[in-house]
Amino acid sequence: EPEVTQTPSHQVTQMGQEVILRCVPISNHLYFYWYRQILGQKVEFLVSFYNNEISEKSEIFDDQFSVERPDGSNFTLKIRSTKLEDSAMYFCASSALNTAPYGYTFGSGTRLTVV
Amino acid sequence: AQSVTQLDSQVPVFEEAPVELRCNYSSSVSVYLFWYVQYPNQGLQLLLKYLSGSTLVESINGFEAEFNKSQTSFHLRKPSVHISDTAEYFCAVSDHTGNTPLVFGKGTRLSVIA
Repeated sequence: EPEVTQTPSHQVTQMGQEVILRCVPISNHLYFYWYRQILGQKVEFLVSFYNNEISEKSEIFDDQFSVERPDGSNFTLKIRSTKLEDSAMYFCASSALNTAPYGYTFGSGTRLTVV
Repeated sequence: AQSVTQLDSQVPVFEEAPVELRCNYSSSVSVYLFWYVQYPNQGLQLLLKYLSGSTLVESINGFEAEFNKSQTSFHLRKPSVHISDTAEYFCAVSDHTGNTPLVFGKGTRLSVIA
């Protein structure tokens, strides 16, 4: 069964450093998403991406965050200057149709720890 | 905007006992409802969904959930749990257009005890 692959599975970084979280969506999917889950809290929507641009973003997704599809396979989330409160599990997801949230496939997540 | 409440953060239950994981939602429009499961060190997997039609939906591994519009609930149940059901369970909602992102609850950790 097709999978969404996320790397790395764990990342530890120092406060103020830039991090890039990587995702390889399912090959024929067109819509891409990032969610995050701070420990003990809800899974929260960050951003959706379609046709090489952001289609929707939450208030969490401020200027410190950016997303990119640098080639035909990868979808990245960059945090420019990490803060302690960015520590969370970050999930990537992709879907074939934007009108089908039931079509989301999630990756296994990247646990980011900012120290 | 939609919201989801999962009142129980942890539910311990003995093997072969029944379990119910509660989910309530809030929305001013019609919704789609979902349960996702996260096994240790794995991603979020869709367990079951309610889109329309029969209010009782079932998964392949014995879970079921019932959409109750009057009580704005979508509780997840299983009559007899197994050790392998130990996981985190997330309830999620989106509006009927499907164009808004999924909104998740905080999750319920189900621990099945031998």
